[in-house]
Amino acid sequence: ETGVTQSPTHLIKTRGQQVTLRCSSQSGHNTVSWYQQALGQGPQFIFQYYREEENGRGNFPPRFSGLQFPNYSSELNVNALELDDSALYLCASSLARSQETQYFGPGTRLLVL
Amino acid sequence: KQEVTQIPAALSVPEGENLVLNCSFTDSAIYNLQWFRQDPGKGLTSLLLIQSSQREQTSGRLNASLDKSSGRSTLYIAASQPGDSATYLCAVGGTASKLTFGTGTRLQVTL
Repeated sequence: ETGVTQSPTHLIKTRGQQVTLRCSSQSGHNTVSWYQQALGQGPQFIFQYYREEENGRGNFPPRFSGLQFPNYSSELNVNALELDDSALYLCASSLARSQETQYFGPGTRLLVL
Repeated sequence: KQEVTQIPAALSVPEGENLVLNCSFTDSAIYNLQWFRQDPGKGLTSLLLIQSSQREQTSGRLNASLDKSSGRSTLYIAASQPGDSATYLCAVGGTASKLTFGTGTRLQVTL
């Protein structure tokens, strides 16, 4: 157990809809990163939040957005869902922006029909 | 752009064998390298973290090495067990704690 939780565990949406995924970091971890993992692939970095501000972004369009809250929770929002957004979404928390071990949650599996 | 490659993509070994998983990366300007384990449909479990200034890390039956200059890391698993069956992912840490992952090695340990 990493102490990182995610909800929901599974989700089914239709193309064009919007979705919000949630993550609760380990207590005291002020950095959270989100990753997208397509079937059979390694996770791809979406973005990172540090002290409630975006601190780096991968090659994802603006319809992927996020929020981080003072209570160590965070959200990933995806607008105008596309079929290719179907994937496992993972959040990871760590102590700081510097190079500490990142602790991953169990993920949310999103299916877009 | 950092690219991470893992070889082999899949591996099947009998119980008790020692084995080595390989990871290579294209940009040697890294902060660290982390090995993860992923069970089917599950999240990632961190196994070992090697900082860029280190050469290796050990935890139980696992030993990971890092050669930054050649862009390579290996994960050595001693005396493999069926419970070791999983996908093993190598991830390179760059700026802003961004991890770049390989596609993984799917390991099956048979009885």
